[in-house]
Amino acid sequence: QQQVKQSPQSLIVQKGGISIINCAYENTAFDYFPWYQQFPGKGPALLIAIRPDVSEKKEGRFTISFNKSAKQFSLHIMDSQPGDSATYFCAASIASSAQKLVFGQGTRLTINP
Amino acid sequence: GAVVSQHPSRVICKSGTSVKIECRSLDFQATTMFWYRQFPKQSLMLMATSNEGSKATYEQGVEKDKFLINHASLTLSTLTVTSAHPEDSSFYICSARGTGGGTYGYTFGSGTRLTVV
Repeated sequence: QQQVKQSPQSLIVQKGGISIINCAYENTAFDYFPWYQQFPGKGPALLIAIRPDVSEKKEGRFTISFNKSAKQFSLHIMDSQPGDSATYFCAASIASSAQKLVFGQGTRLTINP
Repeated sequence: GAVVSQHPSRVICKSGTSVKIECRSLDFQATTMFWYRQFPKQSLMLMATSNEGSKATYEQGVEKDKFLINHASLTLSTLTVTSAHPEDSSFYICSARGTGGGTYGYTFGSGTRLTVV
């Protein structure tokens, strides 16, 4: 019940295209759903996060779509650029009680120029 | 924004020695710190959670006597890998969560690449 399942494992998108990564969770107590971007040899950096009381959040080219009834959330990267090539992790937590983040398996995104 | 400084970024040590990794919250008080381990091309695996002034809570399968965690202040947590062996070689990452403002942010350090030879 603590798992967060992420797909796809790897993704190749042409420059200018839309990158879509999906995650699903089981624990309905989760109240914080962040996405992290990680470059090789670096720690994860928060990209965007959402709480379950909204269905969508947009920050620049990055959008989270959240479907509470389906227990799914996704990251959309619009106008994907080669600099977006990285590994992306979704995560979830019961943040209101400072509980640990549960990470998805990660998606290695490659944007071809 | 919140910044977490992690040092060293890389360390090579001989088998049998101990290595200490520091994690500092620079501009906020970190009431909770998390330590992760990441193998190549894999996700982050939580090792332990520590609250300031309390003993760390270790995840199942993590040896508490091997991975010593200290969170003595609201800005500093350390992970000591004792009697390191080659299988302990990995990428270790800390994360801190602070107080105030209703923020739910977990801020990550830049990671430490440990190589045991």
